[in-house]
Amino acid sequence: DAGVTQSPTHLIKTRGQQVTLRCSPKSGHDTVSWYQQALGQGPQFIFQYYEEEERQRGNFPDRFSGHQFPNYSSELNVNALLLGDSALYLCASSLEVIYEQYFGPGTRLTVT
Amino acid sequence: GESVGLHLPTLSVQEGDNSIINCAYSNSASDYFIWYKQESGKGPQFIIDIRSNMDKRQGQRVTVLLNKTVKHLSLQIAATQPGDSAVYFCAETYSGGGADGLTFGKGTHLIIQP
Repeated sequence: DAGVTQSPTHLIKTRGQQVTLRCSPKSGHDTVSWYQQALGQGPQFIFQYYEEEERQRGNFPDRFSGHQFPNYSSELNVNALLLGDSALYLCASSLEVIYEQYFGPGTRLTVT
Repeated sequence: GESVGLHLPTLSVQEGDNSIINCAYSNSASDYFIWYKQESGKGPQFIIDIRSNMDKRQGQRVTVLLNKTVKHLSLQIAATQPGDSAVYFCAETYSGGGADGLTFGKGTHLIIQP
């Protein structure tokens, strides 16, 4: 039974560019949440997708957007990258509600 | 703003001893709490959770205690092993208002001394 998978593992981008990160939820899960984790900090909630719609959003600008597909997989898009966007981006999946969110290994994004 | 925080950034214990990691939360509306373990280069791993209608919950070698009066959460790890070395995060949320995102603290780095 595959857990949460994310791609790519690492990514290097330049300021101003755009990036797309991908996530496949754990088998049987239908809800995907995205988090940003800066070095030495706890994860910060970006947004959550359920039934292909953004259900809840944290304190992140509109440059951060997402999508959920019919197979429950999800993408996180970040436009106009800033140096401060460098972080580990984590995807977590759960079934319908937030209980027992299971995290993927993350995508390490470096903006230069 | 309200957030979950931890008292100590680093905790060093002898192998075989019990570890206690503490967490203070400030959102009195929070009703669901989780402890996660994060090893270097990996995503957070679910350890144990507790809902606000409970004050104690036990798992395998781990116990979570919740004191709603002082808004304090703790994780007890029995007979710590080298594999327990990691950063431990507490997380909280309020399940009743549509706020489905977890709020994490900054983490405690648990170091196991041989």
